[in-house]
Amino acid sequence: QQQVKQSPQSLIVQKGGISIINCAYENTAFDYFPWYQQFPGKGPALLIAIRPDVSEKKEGRFTISFNKSAKQFSLHIMDSQPGDSATYFCAASPFGNEKLTFGTGTRLTIIP
Amino acid sequence: EAEVAQSPRYKITEKSQAVAFWCDPISGHATLYWYRQILGQGPELLVQFQDESVVDDSQLPKDRFSAERLKGVDSTLKIQPAELGDSAMYLCASSSLTGNYGYTFGSGTRLTVV
Repeated sequence: QQQVKQSPQSLIVQKGGISIINCAYENTAFDYFPWYQQFPGKGPALLIAIRPDVSEKKEGRFTISFNKSAKQFSLHIMDSQPGDSATYFCAASPFGNEKLTFGTGTRLTIIP
Repeated sequence: EAEVAQSPRYKITEKSQAVAFWCDPISGHATLYWYRQILGQGPELLVQFQDESVVDDSQLPKDRFSAERLKGVDSTLKIQPAELGDSAMYLCASSSLTGNYGYTFGSGTRLTVV
């Protein structure tokens, strides 16, 4: 059973544009929602994370928007740069347990 | 910056052979995870250790996979016998129980079964 659905599967954005990746979850026990960035041949690296007590978290060009009632969260990358080209994974874990359930990933390509 | 070390980086093995992967977590991290990532998919948890004890191995195919963390530090994941469907990236991650829920992943072992 897939518990975290991620879309789109792939995304092409022009340099300087906004990249938006969406995730939806089913398990209401989830209370930690991180985003990971993965470059080819590397393991995923934590990018930014949010808990459901806030609706938005911003770190530099990266923002997570969280809608608890809709059970959805999204990653926004402002002023997208070629160096942002990577695969992005959303994930979720329940309270008191660090076991992460990952989405299927979004391959982001930033073109000049 | 502290890293999770994994070896080998790449492994090619024949079907029905045994294969083993090694992971050295960040010093002081009590929790260690093995994930499997099939090409084009997100990582899936195989096993979670807290110190030397297994916390969750519900997704580990125990007929062929085994994992150990004997002294609560480094860990080994073994597959015997390997099958074609085991071809994937095997990722190790560790975390400290500080409440910030921050995993650190290693660079993984890319396994190809032929």
